[in-house]
Amino acid sequence: AQTVTQSQPEMSVQEAETVTLSCTYDTSESDYYLFWYKQPPSRQMILVIRQEAYKQQNATENRFSVNFQKAAKSFSLKISDSQLGDAAMYFCAYRSVSVISGLTFGEGTQLTVNP
Amino acid sequence: SQTIHQWPATLVQPVGSPLSLECTVEGTSNPNLYWYRQAAGRGLQLLFYSVGIGQISSEVPQNLSASRPQDRQFILSSKKLLLSDSGFYLCAWSGGTVNNEQFFGPGTRLTVL
Repeated sequence: AQTVTQSQPEMSVQEAETVTLSCTYDTSESDYYLFWYKQPPSRQMILVIRQEAYKQQNATENRFSVNFQKAAKSFSLKISDSQLGDAAMYFCAYRSVSVISGLTFGEGTQLTVNP
Repeated sequence: SQTIHQWPATLVQPVGSPLSLECTVEGTSNPNLYWYRQAAGRGLQLLFYSVGIGQISSEVPQNLSASRPQDRQFILSSKKLLLSDSGFYLCAWSGGTVNNEQFFGPGTRLTVL
């Protein structure tokens, strides 16, 4: 079974600064998908960014980018130019290639953005 | 466009009472459907998933059950709630292509007293 570990329960960043959230995972599969989800106080789960394991290039979505290290099984999220609206719980998630596969989540990192 | 609804938004139930949470998806056909539970301050745990009407797979043995009576309807049930069933329940759907993301509903907050 796959596991996802987020070792930082809480992180804080100053507005306009950059912050990196860590995620490691364990799997015996060679192909899979990795995700970062954001959960604001409304508790709605919002997809931030997605990475396919077969792609060597790190995914980027505007101010959000990942550092995907497949051999190390590491998948960190970098948020540049942090905004107050980025404050939320961030979850790293793993999904097998199977179409019907559910997501395996980490325990989350609570991000605070200080003005 | 596709939307996903969950009902009710909040629920307070006594121990031993039954439970029925509903999830409906609009704007798509034959979705894969999922039930997750989130304990306070924790990550999400997959409970059930379904690839079609009447087809339910359970990920975690527990006090809960799921049913899919219609293509776009997914129901989470219990005959007798336990205190440990308290949590935030999220329904999600995904399309048929391999790399589709899962789209989450607004969730139901369940408190068992």
